[in-house]
Amino acid sequence: NAGVTQTPKFQVLKTGQSMTLQCAQDMNHEYMSWYRQDPGMGLRLIHYSVGAGITDQGEVPNGYNVSRSTTEDFPLRLLSAAPSQTSVYFCASSYSQGPFLPGNTIYFGEGSWLTVV
Amino acid sequence: QQQVKQSPQSLIVQKGGISIINCAYENTAFDYFPWYQQFPGKGPALLIAIRPDVSEKKEGRFTISFNKSAKQFSLHIMDSQPGDSATYFCAARGAGNMLTFGGGTRLMVKP
Repeated sequence: NAGVTQTPKFQVLKTGQSMTLQCAQDMNHEYMSWYRQDPGMGLRLIHYSVGAGITDQGEVPNGYNVSRSTTEDFPLRLLSAAPSQTSVYFCASSYSQGPFLPGNTIYFGEGSWLTVV
Repeated sequence: QQQVKQSPQSLIVQKGGISIINCAYENTAFDYFPWYQQFPGKGPALLIAIRPDVSEKKEGRFTISFNKSAKQFSLHIMDSQPGDSATYFCAARGAGNMLTFGGGTRLMVKP
């Protein structure tokens, strides 16, 4: 059981380049999300999905695009990378978005370190 | 606008001491308050969580105290150990299972 798997672990991009951060989970979770972590600001929600074919914006969606064609995968696309997007990105998943239950624990991947120069 | 404010930003505690981290929130619609522990190079991992209808929850050396009227909650780590050295995040869950995180507290437990 791999849990939440993110690739790549580290990436350096030039300003203006595009790339995709991959996220996959093998727990049959409906709910998946992307956060970015910046010093002193905790984690902030970028986009989330409540199931295949359904996505929505979080707190900081600008410059990012997502899609959810399968239950397992939730890639995050940077359309035209900017230095402000230098951050650590975390993918997370949970069974559902319903009322709090132990089974709705949110699990995080190990992160993708992105530097935009 | 940070809806969950966490303090202190960093904390140094002697081995065996009590570590206390505080959080305050604004949105009364939050319905679940987890604490996450993060080690360098790793993702956040759920440590302990509480619902707003409970005033205290204890799991081993970790205790959450929750004050609904004051919109505050705190994490207490009893008998702190060097292995507890990590960054701790409080969070609050809103609509759509979205978590709003505090800014994090870097805890160092000295041997």
